[in-house]
Amino acid sequence: RKEVEQDPGPFNVPEGATVAFNCTYSNSASQSFFWYRQDCRKEPKLLMSVYSSGNEDGRFTAQLNRASQYISLLIRDSKLSDSATYLCVVNGEPDTGFQKLVFGTGTRLLVSP
Amino acid sequence: DGGITQSPKYLFRKEGQNVTLSCEQNLNHDAMYWYRQDPGQGLRLIYYSQIVNDFQKGDIAEGYSVSREKKESFPLTVTSAQKNPTAFYLCASSLGLAGTDTQYFGPGTRLTVL
Repeated sequence: RKEVEQDPGPFNVPEGATVAFNCTYSNSASQSFFWYRQDCRKEPKLLMSVYSSGNEDGRFTAQLNRASQYISLLIRDSKLSDSATYLCVVNGEPDTGFQKLVFGTGTRLLVSP
Repeated sequence: DGGITQSPKYLFRKEGQNVTLSCEQNLNHDAMYWYRQDPGQGLRLIYYSQIVNDFQKGDIAEGYSVSREKKESFPLTVTSAQKNPTAFYLCASSLGLAGTDTQYFGPGTRLTVL
């Protein structure tokens, strides 16, 4: 089983739609969770951290379900500029005190006019 | 402007040659990292350094070497021993704290072996 698993997509949605991505992780001791956004042939950029209580940043909402070991990202009112690959990222060695991140392969989102 | 720079953006290498990829940061971060990204795969950790003059192997260190002589710089050498070096190489840095430490990435170097 992969440490971090994501549906590769692509998710094709029209502008204004709401879209949700899920990600599962295997290490139940993981403490840090992130969503990064990566545009084609560019570096990943931090979209948001994911906190236990869930958190929102504008049109983006991230939630964590520790019992089921999954993380979700909800994008409301999709824009054309949201088209990108979204990477689910988890701290893979929580007991070491070192932030070793494990990256999912990403979910591709395509927003059309 | 604060940030992470990588050079060159594109690099072509003949088989059997060693090449060095540059990574510089002016964020005053203690920790630095090297990843490679291949199509259809997640980023994989090559080497990381939590402090100057110290570094550790990541998951795929074979065929690579690094140095950390200065806080700002973490160059990666891809040696001829690396069997499949064509990839997108990403450097990152962070404060180096445990817990919710956030990594920030440079723009990457695309290495192609001819």
